[in-house]
Amino acid sequence: GAGVSQSPSNKVTEKGKDVELRCDPISGHTALYWYRQSLGQGLEFLIYFQGNSAPDKSGLPSDRFSAERTGGSVSTLTIQRTQQEDSAVYLCASSSAGVGANVLTFGAGSRLTVL
Amino acid sequence: AQTVTQSQPEMSVQEAETVTLSCTYDTSENNYYLFWYKQPPSRQMILVIRQEAYKQQNATENRFSVNFQKAAKSFSLKISDSQLGDTAMYFCASAIRSNTGKLIFGQGTTLQVKP
Repeated sequence: GAGVSQSPSNKVTEKGKDVELRCDPISGHTALYWYRQSLGQGLEFLIYFQGNSAPDKSGLPSDRFSAERTGGSVSTLTIQRTQQEDSAVYLCASSSAGVGANVLTFGAGSRLTVL
Repeated sequence: AQTVTQSQPEMSVQEAETVTLSCTYDTSENNYYLFWYKQPPSRQMILVIRQEAYKQQNATENRFSVNFQKAAKSFSLKISDSQLGDTAMYFCASAIRSNTGKLIFGQGTTLQVKP
């Protein structure tokens, strides 16, 4: 696609429920990143996928968070047993491969509200 | 570990005037990049400008320029001839050269351009 697409745009859920957030990166981009932005805060790195390599999960805040990337394209971020502190905007970004000044293209994010 | 600090939560400027946003960072890396991102109300992060740490010359993109002081670990953004469309939240970020998509963000500065 022309840009990074994320769905849903907004999600309201009850505490304890599981949620899935989807990211469709730019076609041909091998690198995919998930970030979290809490209200009024900067972005916090969550996880990074590069091609067929093992993902860098160093930013995931707890084992309730997981992500997968199928076929090197679409990625799903799953949050199990959601808590109120999980409320945030979850941003996905993709870039082409290679070392250097790779520029990230961000999606518009998925705003998650946990009641 | 890398850290990025933006000490100005909010700023305002009159249309057509010049404004400077401050950013300081800390890193033990020798090869790194610095970025300024803009986030308008649409939530989508947009790259404004980037600087490679090994280059002494300050980066410039049209009305946007940086003052990169490597020894002082300072990376300020100057916006000249401010326009109403510049109203947004601005984030300073750093990344090591081997993975320039894994960004460390500052807390952001909300800039309002007044007519």
